[in-house]
Parts: sequence; structure tokens; C-alpha cells
Amino acid sequence: ETGVTQTPRHLVMGMTNKKSLKCEQHLGHNAMYWYKQSAKKPLELMFVYNFKEQTENNSVPSRFSPECPNSSHLFLHLHTLQPEDSALYLCASSHTSGAATDTQYFGPGTRLTVL
Amino acid sequence: GENVEQHPSTLSVQEGDSAVIKCTYSDSASNYFPWYKQELGKRPQLIIDIRSNVGEKKDQRIAVTLNKTAKHFSLHITETQPEDSAVYFCAAVDDKIIFGKGTRLHILP
Repeated sequence: ETGVTQTPRHLVMGMTNKKSLKCEQHLGHNAMYWYKQSAKKPLELMFVYNFKEQTENNSVPSRFSPECPNSSHLFLHLHTLQPEDSALYLCASSHTSGAATDTQYFGPGTRLTVL
Repeated sequence: GENVEQHPSTLSVQEGDSAVIKCTYSDSASNYFPWYKQELGKRPQLIIDIRSNVGEKKDQRIAVTLNKTAKHFSLHITETQPEDSAVYFCAAVDDKIIFGKGTRLHILP
């Protein structure tokens, strides 16, 4: 399964660190998404990009900063995170996000631990 | 805000028996209902979906039913097998996708 890849797969960082998560999709899709998956909580949609433009920000704290340089790459820049930000961060892509009904294909996720 | 309730949170089923997972949604404008399966340590993957103009859809051992009036939809897995053990997420989509909290399905030998 190499359609959507994410690096790193695991990340441990301190609250004062700055790190970035990377997502790449090889499916020719135009929309990309960041989700947060915490234990015993629904998948939380964080950001949506469509044709490199951010179309949705679900009230995500500014310590999470997304970047989408092109339709194939998506980054999530992290700085001054809190321990409660520890979670699995999933990237997904779909053909377009103009229709949320397009099937989303998920990456394997980055397991983030904030100390 | 809009939400999706999913039950049960955990389900144990004897191998070969059927499993049913139920979801209700609050946004009456939702028109697309995908189900995702997430095996331990793996990514969520779409297993079946249904659109609002259809009441039922089946794909081999998996079926989904939709009752728009009652705003609920269900996943049915028949003749369960060990590889069906996973967490299953329902979702309701209008202009955005909202997931349920997931159901951890255990298939007992």
C-alpha cells in the first residue's frame, strides 16, 4: 500500500521542539486532509486542502501549521505542543474535496508523543 | 454541532455469527455514509458506503442499511471470520465528513 505515505511513522518531541510531519500521495488526487486520532475519540478532521488551497480549518490551535506546496505533498508543522496533542495523525487524500463524498484514502499515520 | 453516535463501542462475536454496528447522525442534510475498517496498527480503509438515495447495499459478507427518516444506518457482517477483527468507523457526510467513535470488533474462535 504505497498510495499515501507518511513520515515519520513515530515521533517523540518535547514541548519546546519544532518538528514537521510529511504526507505524500501518489494517486493523482487533488484534495488532502489532516486528521487527529486520539484514543476513544472520533477521528477529528483538522485541515482540508483542495488544489493546494486550504478550504477548511476546524478551529485547530495555531501550534499546528499546515503547508501544501502542491497537490501531492502536505506538511503539518508542529511547535510548542502540549502533552494532550499526543495522538495518531493521519493524512488522507481524495479526488476532490469539493465533494466530501469522494472516497478518502488514508496514510499509515504518524504516532506522535509529546513529552 | 453535528455529530454521529456509534454503538456498541466494543462487540465480541463468535466466529461464523453475524455482527451489527449501528450509527445515528444529527445532520439531516447528510447524504453519504461510508464505513471504514482499521486493523490494529494500520490505516483506516473504506469497506463499503451508501448514498442517501439507496436503502441498502451489499458486498459479499458486508451490507449496510440506511433509514433516512430515522437518521440511522447500520453495518452488517455475516459469517464473521478472524480477519474481521478490527475497529470499524461509520461516518456521515454533508459538506464535511463526521466520524463516529468507532466499534472494536472481536471475533472469538
